[in-house]
Amino acid sequence: TQLLEQSPQFLSIQEGENLTVYCNSSSVFSSLQWYRQEPGEGPVLLVTVVTGGEVKKLKRLTFQFGDARKDSSLHITAAQPGDTGLYLCAGRNNDMRFGAGTRLTVKP
Amino acid sequence: EAGVAQSPRYKIIEKRQSVAFWCNPISGHATLYWYQQILGQGPKLLIQFQNNGVVDDSQLPKDRFSAERLKGVDSTLKIQPAKLEDSAVYLCASSFTVGAIYGYTFGSGTRLTVV
Repeated sequence: TQLLEQSPQFLSIQEGENLTVYCNSSSVFSSLQWYRQEPGEGPVLLVTVVTGGEVKKLKRLTFQFGDARKDSSLHITAAQPGDTGLYLCAGRNNDMRFGAGTRLTVKP
Repeated sequence: EAGVAQSPRYKIIEKRQSVAFWCNPISGHATLYWYQQILGQGPKLLIQFQNNGVVDDSQLPKDRFSAERLKGVDSTLKIQPAKLEDSAVYLCASSFTVGAIYGYTFGSGTRLTVV
């Protein structure tokens, strides 16, 4: 059983569309990170959110940490083929636990 | 700055054989992690080191897996004997913490196939 549940598991969209992926848990985390992983590579850190209700923007990516620090969302505006990859969320307390990821495919 | 180095990139072995993976973290990063990522899943923590001491190895299958970090720098992860279900990507990561700020950097991983 995953401590962090990510949804959807798979997402395939056309270039230019918007999308939101979710990361949910019954546990409270001191912070939460989002990573993107491409085939054959390790995960690359995108953002860290620490405060409940926090919103961070990274170009076309918007990250939100839930008020109760149990869940998070990632919204991508006008997706591009370069956004294709596995998006992982990871919650941190004494250690870091990962969700299973959302595999995003953006078709040109 | 140089990233986390891992070797080999790929390894194919037969079940019941032994295998070892090597990791060189980012210079100055005190904390080192080994994760196992099975296809279609997120990374699962196997062991966490702080300098050369073990902080968490609760999910390490100690009957067959071992890891060490001599001198608090490089680390090796060994599997002996390997089982088919050990087929996965083994990721090494290192991190720093300054107050509430921390950062994880992952290596590219070693893809292990047990046949």
